[in-house]
Amino acid sequence: NAGVTQTPKFQVLKTGQSMTLQCAQDMNHEYMSWYRQDPGMGLRLIHYSVGAGITDQGEVPNGYNVSRSTTEDFPLRLLSAAPSQTSVYFCASSASRGNTEAFFGQGTRLTVV
Amino acid sequence: AQKVTQAQTEISVVEKEDVTLDCVYETRDTTYYLFWYKQPPSGELVFLIRRNSFDEQNEISGRYSWNFQKSTSSFNFTITASQVVDSAVYFCALSGFYNQGGKLIFGQGTELSVKP
Repeated sequence: NAGVTQTPKFQVLKTGQSMTLQCAQDMNHEYMSWYRQDPGMGLRLIHYSVGAGITDQGEVPNGYNVSRSTTEDFPLRLLSAAPSQTSVYFCASSASRGNTEAFFGQGTRLTVV
Repeated sequence: AQKVTQAQTEISVVEKEDVTLDCVYETRDTTYYLFWYKQPPSGELVFLIRRNSFDEQNEISGRYSWNFQKSTSSFNFTITASQVVDSAVYFCALSGFYNQGGKLIFGQGTELSVKP
């Protein structure tokens, strides 16, 4: 069972470069979210989606874009990477009914130099 | 606004000790969900429990137990007879009724170290 798959696992970017973090889930979940984890701050919500074609901002959206063209995929785009975006990024998915705990991907460790 | 506070940044215990991780939350919603997640040194996030605001019964799962008290807005987590494998960062999280698992507010996390 794949669950939530994030790629890549590690990435180093130079300041100003752009890139896309990929996230895919095979559980047919309606909800998908992106979080960043920084030391001492827990996980903070960047963007989330309640279904294909619907996205909204979370607590720390600046510098990131998302789109959701299919139920399965929810890519996160860094438009112009900055050192402040050095973090561990987690993608999550959850169902809208029933057991609604979030299932997380393995995380992407991003370093911006 | 919603907020989750885990005041204990780090806890260190010796194996077989009992340990309680505190979680205090703030929300104006009358219906909400509370969660605990474990993040072992390998880095993945592992779901432990979900509790809705209507259910104040305490829950026990093996060596783990949870105490939910709406009167004090707390959802504390106790590990009985701790083991080295319990060493991890533990996160408490909150979500509203309509978003449930899709929009979580996390606490800062408590790093538990269990020494042999």
